Amino acid sequence: AQSVTQLDSQVPVFEEAPVELRCNYSSSVSVYLFWYVQYPNQGLQLLLKYLSGSTLVKGINGFEAEFNKSQTSFHLRKPSVHISDTAEYFCAVPWSGAGSYQLTFGKGTKLSVIP
Amino acid sequence: DAGVIQSPRHEVTEMGQEVTLRCKPISGHNSLFWYRQTMMRGLELLIYFNNNVPIDDSGMPEDRFSAKMPNASFSTLKIQPSEPRDSAVYFCASSRGHEQYFGPGTRLTVT
Repeated sequence: AQSVTQLDSQVPVFEEAPVELRCNYSSSVSVYLFWYVQYPNQGLQLLLKYLSGSTLVKGINGFEAEFNKSQTSFHLRKPSVHISDTAEYFCAVPWSGAGSYQLTFGKGTKLSVIP
Repeated sequence: DAGVIQSPRHEVTEMGQEVTLRCKPISGHNSLFWYRQTMMRGLELLIYFNNNVPIDDSGMPEDRFSAKMPNASFSTLKIQPSEPRDSAVYFCASSRGHEQYFGPGTRLTVT
């Protein structure tokens, strides 16, 4: 089974500063990768996804992520965060390769934006 | 599209009572997932249906938990009898591929 590791459980950052949330995956097969966001008291919402093609993926709300095969990473970035970005962010990968619809989620990173 | 619909949004019950959580997936989606989220254990997959058939229920904690999907537009997760350690937020998600769409969740409190 594939797995993902989110290296930081909490990331505080000042408003308008850049942020990077880290995600590493373990896989020796073709990879699909996802980032989800969970705002307080809500379900998870897809931020962006990598299926193939360009390694730089742009998502909603100004977020982007870069697929790096050599480093098995898919870090999430935003050049300038807003208070409204305060949420928990989850990295995910198909449980058993591209043919599996089950996702394995990381433990999440709580982003706190400080005014 | 109304998205994934879950009911109730909040449920408070006493230990030993039966609890039924309901989910209506997005029309046209053929996969449905039930998750549980707690502070201690994070997000856990309980069961996964494809075309109304349970594919993987290895995440169901014990026999007190059961899930059904009688048709493509409805699923239930039942806990009988409920225990305080079942207190959590339960999410339903549906998909037609890898991209899962989550419902708003049901917050269950067992006293």
